Amino acid sequence: DTEVTQTPKHLVMGMTNKKSLKCEQHMGHRAMYWYKQKAKKPPELMFVYSYEKLSINESVPSRFSPECPNSSLLNLHLHALQPEDSALYLCASSQQVANYGYTFGSGTRLTVV
Amino acid sequence: ELKVEQNPLFLSMQEGKNYTIYCNYSTTSDRLYWYRQDPGKSLESLFVLLSNGAVKQEGRLMASLDTKARLSTLHITAAVHDLSATYFCAVYNTNAGKSTFGDGTTLTVKP
Repeated sequence: DTEVTQTPKHLVMGMTNKKSLKCEQHMGHRAMYWYKQKAKKPPELMFVYSYEKLSINESVPSRFSPECPNSSLLNLHLHALQPEDSALYLCASSQQVANYGYTFGSGTRLTVV
Repeated sequence: ELKVEQNPLFLSMQEGKNYTIYCNYSTTSDRLYWYRQDPGKSLESLFVLLSNGAVKQEGRLMASLDTKARLSTLHITAAVHDLSATYFCAVYNTNAGKSTFGDGTTLTVKP
C-alpha cells in the first residue's frame, strides 16, 4: 500500500458544525502532516506528528485540532469554522529521515457556509 | 526563517520548446523536493535532491541542485501539453523538521 487515504473528499459544513477529516497511511511512515491550501497558493503547514510528538504551526487557530490515535492515522477535528477556512486540506506522510518526498493524499475540499 | 522563491510564477510556452524554472532559498539545506500539482488535485512527488550537484531526470523533466548557490532548477525539454500543471519546489529545514514550499510555477504548454 503506497497511498495516503483521506476522507471525505468533499465537505460542506456550517459555522456551528463539528466535523472531522481523516487521514490514514500504511507505509510505515513515522511522520504525518496536515496542510491547508488556498486556491493558487502553496500548501501551508498546519501540524506535524512525528515519532509521537505533535508540532503545531502557531498561526493555526484553535478551531482546528489534530488527533493521532495511532501511527497510521492523523485526524483533523473542525469546530466553529469561518468561511475563510474554506480550502483544500491535504494530508501527507514521509519517512522520518526525509530522504523521500512526501506522499500526499488526494485532499479534502472543505467549504464553510 | 527559511524563504523559498520560485520564478517565474507563470510560464506559457509552446510545445517543443525548452525552459527552466528556478528555485532559490535563503538558508542552508541539503534536501530539496519538486512536486507537480494538476488543477483541483493533490501534489505528486517528482524529484528528491539530497546533495550538492545532484541531478535527476524523468522523461522531459530534469532537476538539479546547487547547495552552494542555494539554487535548484527544473528544466523542461521539448515541452508537451501534458506537462501543463503547477510545479512547486520545497526546501527541507533540518532544524525546524519541516519543508517550506515556494509559491509555485504555473506552466501552460500551448500547441
